[in-house]
Amino acid sequence: KQEVTQIPAALSVPEGENLVLNCSFTDSAIYNLQWFRQDPGKGLTSLLLIQSSQREQTSGRLNASLDKSSGRSTLYIAASQPGDSATYLCAVRGNTGKLIFGQGTTLQVKP
Amino acid sequence: EAGVAQSPRYKIIEKRQSVAFWCNPISGHATLYWYQQILGQGPKLLIQFQNNGVVDDSQLPKDRFSAERLKGVDSTLKIQPAKLEDSAVYLCASSLGDRFGEDYEQYFGPGTRLTVT
Repeated sequence: KQEVTQIPAALSVPEGENLVLNCSFTDSAIYNLQWFRQDPGKGLTSLLLIQSSQREQTSGRLNASLDKSSGRSTLYIAASQPGDSATYLCAVRGNTGKLIFGQGTTLQVKP
Repeated sequence: EAGVAQSPRYKIIEKRQSVAFWCNPISGHATLYWYQQILGQGPKLLIQFQNNGVVDDSQLPKDRFSAERLKGVDSTLKIQPAKLEDSAVYLCASSLGDRFGEDYEQYFGPGTRLTVT
């Protein structure tokens, strides 16, 4: 059974810092891995999707890496801003389309 | 392009009452998902529809939860009777995918926050 774990559960950093969020999964037979952002009272917004054959994806100040063999992914946020404050969720997908989510990392960026 | 619509946005009920949630997916999306997100946890898939057929309902508590997508478009999720532990955000998502293994991104609605007292 696939399990996804995110560390840390919460993180508070000053504005401008670079930071790394971690995601680990127990079954390496994944189709892809996706990072989402969730703002309070809102749905999920997809940030980056990495196919199982890829090693990383980049979008603006965000970079996500994937190491399938070790069951790990990281989300790197460069030059953090207060607007980055949100909960970040990692999800892995098997070949049925089902997403298995981690519990999320709640990020606070202080001005 | 309109996103995934859900209603109501908030609902407060007493335990043992019934409640229904509605979802209208993005036009043309064949696949529809209902997720339950308990506070402090990630979303958990309850049921997945492909058009109007059920693909996966392995984590749906079928003694109290039911869902339908009769015309392959919008969907309703019902809880009857509700328990305190059903307090959560119920998220609906949709995707283009109509085949196993196809890589279609899921788009999420804003969710319905349910409080059971």
